[in-house]
Order: sequence, then structure tokens, then C-alpha cells
Amino acid sequence: DGGITQSPKYLFRKEGQNVTLSCEQNLNHDAMYWYRQDPGQGLRLIYYSQIVNDFQKGDIAEGYSVSREKKESFPLTVTSAQKNPTAFYLCASRSGGAGNQPQHFGDGTRLSIL
Amino acid sequence: DAKTTQPPSMDCAEGRAANLPCNHSTISGNEYVYWYRQIHSQGPQYIIHGLKNNETNEMASLIITEDRKSSTLILPHATLRDTAVYYCIVRVPLSGSQGNLIFGKGTKLSVKP
Repeated sequence: DGGITQSPKYLFRKEGQNVTLSCEQNLNHDAMYWYRQDPGQGLRLIYYSQIVNDFQKGDIAEGYSVSREKKESFPLTVTSAQKNPTAFYLCASRSGGAGNQPQHFGDGTRLSIL
Repeated sequence: DAKTTQPPSMDCAEGRAANLPCNHSTISGNEYVYWYRQIHSQGPQYIIHGLKNNETNEMASLIITEDRKSSTLILPHATLRDTAVYYCIVRVPLSGSQGNLIFGKGTKLSVKP
């Protein structure tokens, strides 16, 4: 089936540790996005990428890094510089065709601090 | 992107139609209306979108008023699995952060047996 796969579903991080969240899509979508969702809140954009080897900061990029070496993959690293990393992280992708095409989301990774 | 207003919560009986309203009185001519839903602890699920014509797919129907200042998402035969938070979003194609979606608080729909 076509879709967006995020792994792991749950992740625990120790203080001072970097962790990487995986996002893979087989929809042949050009654009990919990372959002963060805190309890009872809407989604906030961390990073996005329109094409391979290019990405842009979103509204809350500090303490995060990404790469886009392949069209299918857009991993997110939560660095030790991110002081409040506990959240629900969502990856999305969108076709690069008509500008009104919707984003489609994965099932998220829930990150907690030990 | 235009601001949207949705009721915080709604109830619906199982098997009945669920009609979820959204006001977007400041919508501009090239902004689309998108609907998503989010079931607890899952990612948002795309439902439907439209510009000015009514739209229907296998999940729902979208009715947009002629002046485009409001819309209604219709789930024709609600089931318990439709219990979720429903988000109405309006935005222009490829605006701002190249397609970034701004989710508000949405409407919590509770489908009851």
C-alpha cells in the first residue's frame, strides 16, 4: 500500500542525547514536512523540503536538523539543543503538482524524555 | 491564510449524518478549503478539499456557500469510528512555507450509539 511510514512509534531520549526520527514515503511525492504537536495544541512546522537536497526552516527549527538525500526519505534529528523535545512528531508529504494538492500524514512518533 | 471558526464540539447519533460547520468569512478568491480529522494518537487524515464547487468523495461531502464565507463537511452515515477532531483549514496554493498547513482547535465530533 502507498503511504507514509514513521518509525519508531514511541521513542525515549536521555538528557544530552540526539535522536533521529524516520519518515519514509512511497507516494512519489516531492514535498515533505515535519510538524510538532503538543497536547491540546495545533501543529507547528519544524522543517520542510520541496525537492531532494534542499530544505527550509519552518517556524520552530531551533534544536532540530533534517536531511533530504533521497526523495522517499526525510529524517528528523532532535538534538540536545532542543530543550523541550517531548511532543508528538508528525511527518507529511505532498505531490509537487498542482499547488492545491493536500498533504498526507504519517501516524507520528511520540518522543519522551527519560 | 484566512482564519476559520469551528464549534468546539458536536455530538451525532450513529447512522445519522454528521454536519460539521466552518466559518471562513475572510477567505480570499484563490484560497481552498481543506478538511482533515485526527483520531487520538494518530496523524491527521485528509478528508476532502474544494475551491467553490461542492465536492464529494468516498468519505464525505463538502458544501461551500455561494459567497464562500462558510462551508459544511457532511459525513452521510456516521459510525463510532468517525469520532475524532475535525479541522477546517483554508489556504492559498503554495503560499508562505510552501504548503504549510495551519491547524486550529477544530471540532471534536463524538458519535454515540
